[in-house]
Amino acid sequence: GAGVSQSPRYKVAKRGQDVALRCDPISGHVSLFWYQQALGQGPEFLTYFQNEAQLDKSGLPSDRFFAERPEGSVSTLKIQRTQQEDSAVYLCASSLAVTSFSNQPQHFGDGTRLSIL
Amino acid sequence: AQKVTQAQTEISVVEKEDVTLDCVYETRDTTYYLFWYKQPPSGELVFLIRRNSFDEQNEISGRYSWNFQKSTSSFNFTITASQVVDSAVYFCALSEASGGGADGLTFGKGTHLIIQP
Repeated sequence: GAGVSQSPRYKVAKRGQDVALRCDPISGHVSLFWYQQALGQGPEFLTYFQNEAQLDKSGLPSDRFFAERPEGSVSTLKIQRTQQEDSAVYLCASSLAVTSFSNQPQHFGDGTRLSIL
Repeated sequence: AQKVTQAQTEISVVEKEDVTLDCVYETRDTTYYLFWYKQPPSGELVFLIRRNSFDEQNEISGRYSWNFQKSTSSFNFTITASQVVDSAVYFCALSEASGGGADGLTFGKGTHLIIQP
C-alpha cells in the first residue's frame, strides 16, 4: 500500500505482559516518529528515527518503552511489563524529511489501539 | 517550551454553516512550522496544511481557509458551508527548529467538530 501501515490494529494484553507494535512506513521515507494518543487528547511525541538511528527518545515515558528500526525501514515499539496507564492509541508517522524539523508533513498510520486489562 | 492550545473542545453546527476552529501557539523560536490535521473516526491523522513562520499569507483551498497571525500567535481554520463529512477531530500542531528537547510535532488537544444534517 501507499500509506503508513501499522499492526496490529487492536491489541489487548494483561497487565505485566510485553507487547510489540509494528510500523511499516511509506517507502523511501527517512524519518519515522512514534506518538502516544490517550483518549480525548492530542498525540504526544515518543521517539524519532532518522533511517536506523534513534536520534530522539526524550518522549518515552519510562525505560519499559523501547523502539528500534534496525534496517531503516520497519520499526517496532516494544512495551515491557505493561501497566494500565499504557492503554492508548500508538501512532506511527513517516516523512520524506531528512531532519526532524521540516516543512515536510508527517504521514500517519491508523494506529494501534492498546488496551491493558 | 512549545505549546499549542485549542480552547474549543467540541463544536456543533448545522450543515452549511461556516465554522472556525481556533489555535493559539507558544514558542520561543523565530523559525517554526504550523500544521492542521484531521482525524476522522477511523483514527488516521490526515494532513491538511502547513505554514512556515515567515509566511503570513492566508490560504484558501476549496471550502477550507486558514488565517495565520503572528501578532496574536494564532493559526485559525475556517470551514465554509460545512458538510456532514467534515465531522472529525481537528488538531493544530507546531514544529520548532530548536525542537525544545523533542523532535516531533507538538499537538493541541483537538477540537471535535460535529456537523449535523
